[in-house]
Formats: sequence, structure tokens, C-alpha cells
Amino acid sequence: QSVLTQPPSVSGAPGQRVTISCTGSSSNIGAGFDVHWYQQFPGTAPKLLIYGNNNRPSGVPDRFSGSKSATSAYLAITGLQAEDEADYYCQSYDNSLSGSRVFGTGTKVTVL
Amino acid sequence: EVRLVESGGGLVEAGGSLRLSCSASGFTFSNYELSWVRQAPGKGLEWVSYISHSGDTIYYADSVKGRFTISRDNAKKSLYLQMNNLRAEDTALYYCAREEQLKWLAVDYWGQGTLVTVFS
Repeated sequence: QSVLTQPPSVSGAPGQRVTISCTGSSSNIGAGFDVHWYQQFPGTAPKLLIYGNNNRPSGVPDRFSGSKSATSAYLAITGLQAEDEADYYCQSYDNSLSGSRVFGTGTKVTVL
Repeated sequence: EVRLVESGGGLVEAGGSLRLSCSASGFTFSNYELSWVRQAPGKGLEWVSYISHSGDTIYYADSVKGRFTISRDNAKKSLYLQMNNLRAEDTALYYCAREEQLKWLAVDYWGQGTLVTVFS
């Protein structure tokens, strides 16, 4: 059972904006720990999408953006494209668990 | 090119043991922190264990503490996960993951995974 909660699914039409929330608590996101986001297609390893709350690695389109507020983090996809249909996971750290990295529950993005 | 290649997965009876390996290439292995992350069939990602670049600092998820042991051999550019007393709930694809200090320890490279299936 993850300490970071994400909606199981979000959907949008091509070109729309969708936002995925990652809700934590005062022992993880609220404690100031960084949040990272990963994208995963079926049958493949995850790929780093956003690191350090709002930084994009080289090669990640700028339609992906991250933000953080209080005990939650958010991944926004603007100008949704068919190729964005995938699973998305947030990841942070938790000081109530021994040195732990923690992943979110995951969100399936469907492009209508 | 950075590569992480896991091996050692397989079919094992509950209570048994397996040792996973991750062979790295394309970067200075001894400079990087590493983790094992697993994904049960059809489920989400679960962090399993972390080891610092020198091996001095190690962490485990509560679900595997006391049963799994992470280690590394910097000379061989290899990461290991000794898994003992395996349970059905340990069935998963196990990924080797490199954490990048310059990216706030985000995982910037993943292996392709090795599948562990525990039956009873």
C-alpha cells in the first residue's frame, strides 16, 4: 500500500490539458522531499519524465510539467497527444519509513 | 550508452531463495546510488531496496526487510539482490535502477527487468 495516492485514471481528448495529482502527507511531500514523475508504456521499463518537482530531462517535450504544493504534487500534460497514453507514477521519499523511496499508486492516462 | 542488465529471475517455491544480479556498463558504476524496484503483474511500482555508491548506506522496504539483502561489487560493476524466504507476494518483475545525484536522485536509467515467480 503506497503512501502516495494518485487517481487510477484520467482521460482527455487530443489537444486538451490533463492533470494528475499525487497526494501525500507531512512525512513525504509535505516534508519538502522532491517529487519525480515517470511514464511507463505496457511491457517496458519506466522512463523519467520530471525530476526535482518541475525539471524535464533532455528530450522530454515541454507539454509535460510538474508542480508541488503543500502535501501534493501535480503532473500536467498540455496539448495531449495519442502517444501520451500510458501509465504515470509519482515518486518521493518518506521520513517515517526507513530511508524509503515511495511510489505513487499510478495513473492510467487515456486519450479519447 | 548506459546499460543495466538484470538476470537471475525464475520460478521458485515459497520459502526458497534467489539471487538477482544487475550488470552495468556505459558509466562510472562506483559513482552512482542504485535501487531495486519491483512491479507485480498488472500492478504499480514498488521500491524494494537502495544502496549508496560506496555500499555504506542501505535501506529496505518494510515488506522485504529481514529477507532480502542488497549488495554491490564496484570492481565488477554489478548490483545484487539476495532474496530469501520468498513469498507469493514477492512475485514481480524486478528492475535495477540508477539514481542520478544531479537529478535529485531520480531514477534516470532502468534495466529491462527480471521476472521472479514464487509458487506455493
